[in-house]
Amino acid sequence: DVKVTQSSRYLVKRTGEKVFLECVQDMDHENMFWYRQDPGLGLRLIYFSYDVKMKEKGDIPEGYSVSREKKERFSLILESASTNQTSMYLCASSIAGLNTGELFFGEGSRLTVL
Amino acid sequence: GIQVEQSPPDLILQEGANSTLRCNFSDSVNNLQWFHQNPWGQLINLFYIPSGTKQNGRLSATTVATERYSLLYISSSQTTDSGVYFCAVVGYNQGGKLIFGQGTELSVKP
Repeated sequence: DVKVTQSSRYLVKRTGEKVFLECVQDMDHENMFWYRQDPGLGLRLIYFSYDVKMKEKGDIPEGYSVSREKKERFSLILESASTNQTSMYLCASSIAGLNTGELFFGEGSRLTVL
Repeated sequence: GIQVEQSPPDLILQEGANSTLRCNFSDSVNNLQWFHQNPWGQLINLFYIPSGTKQNGRLSATTVATERYSLLYISSSQTTDSGVYFCAVVGYNQGGKLIFGQGTELSVKP
């Protein structure tokens, strides 16, 4: 079975802190994604990556950056956390290809910024 | 970009009842998935179904790509079926990005 693991289920951070959300997949998938989910706004794509060291902006990249140094790991970075970044963050992976294939999600990370 | 609309937005069922959830999309797609989000927030894959019909136990799904809709059927519902069901698609010119509908929140009462 495909497994996507997110490093932290729950985090509480202070405004201005640097935050790292880590995601690891074990199925040698080329594609990896970061989404955030908010009530009333649904799931929105922040960043995605088709390969190591490659990244593409999604629909809401402002305030975020990403890192993909190894194929299995995709990190989401909040350089200076703000209260409007309080959200549920979901990582996903899939095989290569523009039609993406079947997407598999991690358990999610609930971030609260105080 | 491609629009995804799910209906109904909310649904309350008595245990044992059947239901149909609908997903309409505004353009041709080469990828369509149904997910169930459990109470802890994880998205569980139900079906990868860009076209055709699939069944898995009490759940089945049909996608009619030419008419731009997909249906998820839940038969003999159980309380554990409660949660939010999402449809998500990738359009042909969307760079592989999965676009989600707003979801259907299902509540199954004992």
